[in-house]
Amino acid sequence: QVQLQESGPGLVKPSQTLSLTCTVSGGSISSGSYYWSWIRQPAGKGLEWIGRVYTTGRTNYNPSLKSRVTISLDTSKNQFSLNLSSVTAADTAVYYCARAEYTYGELGIWGQGTMVTVSS
Amino acid sequence: DIQMTQSPSSLSASVGDRVTITCRSSQSIGTYLNWYQQNPGKAPKLLLYAASSLQSGVPSRFSGSGSGTDFTLTINSLQPEDFVTYYCQQTYSTSLTFGGGAKVEI
Repeated sequence: QVQLQESGPGLVKPSQTLSLTCTVSGGSISSGSYYWSWIRQPAGKGLEWIGRVYTTGRTNYNPSLKSRVTISLDTSKNQFSLNLSSVTAADTAVYYCARAEYTYGELGIWGQGTMVTVSS
Repeated sequence: DIQMTQSPSSLSASVGDRVTITCRSSQSIGTYLNWYQQNPGKAPKLLLYAASSLQSGVPSRFSGSGSGTDFTLTINSLQPEDFVTYYCQQTYSTSLTFGGGAKVEI
């Protein structure tokens, strides 16, 4: 059974780059037809889709974050990563990684989430 | 971006009730509509995809319908564990968007 686990710093200073990794276990990140995705949720608020990377490395990003976001695959480690640059307090949130099916894009498998606070 | 509007944002119900949550998109999305359930402090869980297809393992009291711009999530015979928050999501465009959420309260 495929499982996802986020990891990375829980505290990032303003203007710096937030970097998170999602480790995939129970299956290969480079096999099948899936989108590997990042979603975030500020405390007490709704879900915001950040972006995704397809098995081939092709990416799609939320237009409101596109200038600051990079999502990439590391097939050698069976991981994918999120980099969000020039962070502010507004980027404080729980960050989730998830796997989406190719056909309808539904997010069927999620990580447990990791809290990231942006503060000096 | 395609905007997703859920209504109501919150509702009160009792165990055994039938509830309906609506999700409307700002443009036609066919049936590229998914529903998620989220317990407090937990990751969302996929309930339905493609507007009406039940995810494996999800109880049959959950159902979905709609196409184009108007969609509904129906929960028949509410159970105590159903009093949580529900989100719709469109995957029609390459910029995915979620609805604002609907909290079902006792």
